[in-house]
Amino acid sequence: DAGVTQSPTHLIKTRGQQVTLRCSPKSGHDTVSWYQQALGQGPQFIFQYYEEEERQRGNFPDRFSGHQFPNYSSELNVNALLLGDSALYLCASSPAGTGLYEQYFGPGTRLTVT
Amino acid sequence: KQEVTQIPAALSVPEGENLVLNCSFTDSAIYNLQWFRQDPGKGLTSLLLIQSSQREQTSGRLNASLDKSSGRSTLYIAASQPGDSATYLCAVEAGDTNAGKSTFGDGTTLTVKP
Repeated sequence: DAGVTQSPTHLIKTRGQQVTLRCSPKSGHDTVSWYQQALGQGPQFIFQYYEEEERQRGNFPDRFSGHQFPNYSSELNVNALLLGDSALYLCASSPAGTGLYEQYFGPGTRLTVT
Repeated sequence: KQEVTQIPAALSVPEGENLVLNCSFTDSAIYNLQWFRQDPGKGLTSLLLIQSSQREQTSGRLNASLDKSSGRSTLYIAASQPGDSATYLCAVEAGDTNAGKSTFGDGTTLTVKP
């Protein structure tokens, strides 16, 4: 089992550009959550996808959007990048079942906006 | 709004010591609390999950307790080793209509000296 995988590992973009990050969940997991982690801080919840729909959303602007595919993989899209979007973006997966299961995290994508 | 606080922010101990990390949260309407470790620049590794109906969980040298009514959790690490050096994060998953949203603390950075 490959666990949760994310691509790319690192990414450098310019202000105003758009970026797409990808996540494949652990085998058997159908729920995917995305987090943003700034240096020295804990992860901040962006949103969660289940059955190809956004189930919950944190306090992030509409520039942050996502998608989940029928195979449960997911994408995070960020438009009109700002310098403050520079962070480690983490994807987590879990089986369906509110509160019952651990979240498993991928290694993250390090996004740098210049 | 759920807020999670971890004290202390940093901790340095000699090898072999037993230690306690603290996590407090403001809203007791949670489904679970999860402890993670994070090595520098890496993703999160799940350590223990405590569901809201449980009081504690144990895994090897780790023991986590949960007191939902007082909004507190502790992670006890027995006989610490240099390999335990990492940042430890706690996260609570919201209950009720916010199910699926997880709120993290900013972590405790642990250094275990040989």
